[in-house]
Amino acid sequence: AQRVTQPEKLLSVFKGAPVELKCNYSYSGSPELFWYVQYSRQRLQLLLRHISRESIKGFTADLNKGETSFHLKKPFAQEEDSAMYYCALSGGKGGTSYGKLTFGQGTILTVHP
Amino acid sequence: DAGVIQSPRHEVTEMGQEVTLRCKPISGHNSLFWYRQTMMRGLELLIYFNNNVPIDDSGMPEDRFSAKMPNASFSTLKIQPSEPRDSAVYFCASSFGKGNQPQHFGDGTRLSIL
Repeated sequence: AQRVTQPEKLLSVFKGAPVELKCNYSYSGSPELFWYVQYSRQRLQLLLRHISRESIKGFTADLNKGETSFHLKKPFAQEEDSAMYYCALSGGKGGTSYGKLTFGQGTILTVHP
Repeated sequence: DAGVIQSPRHEVTEMGQEVTLRCKPISGHNSLFWYRQTMMRGLELLIYFNNNVPIDDSGMPEDRFSAKMPNASFSTLKIQPSEPRDSAVYFCASSFGKGNQPQHFGDGTRLSIL
């Protein structure tokens, strides 16, 4: 069974401080992992995906298969980063998941001035 | 592309009334997903379709909820009769139906049942 755990429901940091949003997953195969962001009262937007190995808005995430983690990091948080962040897992490009994602419970990040 | 389009954006109605939410997926996408978002339960997958066929509706909370996808460019989520506990934001998302492809979300419908 697939499972995504985001242990922190709330996370508060000050502007300029480093931030790390934790995500752990459980999946027996080779997963595809995503981070989505939802700004206040807006749609969920794809922030980044592990396969792209890119930095978006200063955020990066590295897939650690040994620790089954995909933590989201940013060295210097900005006030505009305040949002809900969801980690999501897919069963890879094969299989019969039809693109279904398993989402974590989300972490609300607040960046204080 | 205009992205996933949902209507209405807001719906306020009295309990017992029928509610119909609509979704137009991104052209070319062959998987469509309906989610419900609440503070208490977070983001819940209700049902999803592939090539207009329902694949998994195990997330649909009760028989009062039903969803259809009559063609590749339109889907509806219906609640009949509605209850106050159905109040939530309902999102529709679409994708190319492959595990390595992301889902694209609509703006959601904010539903309030009085």
